[in-house]
Amino acid sequence: DGGITQSPKYLFRKEGQNVTLSCEQNLNHDAMYWYRQDPGQGLRLIYYSQIVNDFQKGDIAEGYSVSREKKESFPLTVTSAQKNPTAFYLCASSIREMGNQPQHFGDGTRLSIL
Amino acid sequence: GDSVTQMEGPVTLSEEAFLTINCTYTATGYPSLFWYVQYPGEGLQLLLKATKADDKGSNKGFEATYRKETTSFHLEKGSVQVSDSAVYFCALRGPGTALIFGKGTTLSVSS
Repeated sequence: DGGITQSPKYLFRKEGQNVTLSCEQNLNHDAMYWYRQDPGQGLRLIYYSQIVNDFQKGDIAEGYSVSREKKESFPLTVTSAQKNPTAFYLCASSIREMGNQPQHFGDGTRLSIL
Repeated sequence: GDSVTQMEGPVTLSEEAFLTINCTYTATGYPSLFWYVQYPGEGLQLLLKATKADDKGSNKGFEATYRKETTSFHLEKGSVQVSDSAVYFCALRGPGTALIFGKGTTLSVSS
């Protein structure tokens, strides 16, 4: 079955540590996205990529970094510069440049501070 | 910029009650509109969509109609079940852009 796999499901970060969240898709989608979800805040866009080796900042990119070396993979690094990283992180993908197509989501990674 | 506003929850209903969750949007151009559902501890699942004015999206007994004149996309279901308890997100998307979400509405259905 095609889909989006996020790992790990739960992640803990120590003070001053960078952590990387994995996102892999086998839907052959060009576009991939990272969202952050906080209680009562909805989903906010961190970064997105419409093609390999290219990505753009979303609304809350500070303290995060991404790479897009392969079409199927879009890892997100939460750096030590992100002072409030505790949240639920969701990865999504879609057909590029098609506003009438939905985004497909993974099951999320919950990040907490030790 | 584009935005989505949905009614605040939580919405608490008894089984078999009628459900309406209001959603209005602000957008330039003609976006597509979506409803997503999130069950506890999971990601988002597409519930239904509409891509142009007067389109009606429907799935699993849920319906929503794209109303350009009122810039609305209200979600309705005639008879809710306990299994419908979840968080519901209204969203819009223009060409080449990421989804823009409302803040979500929590629905709790009791038997």
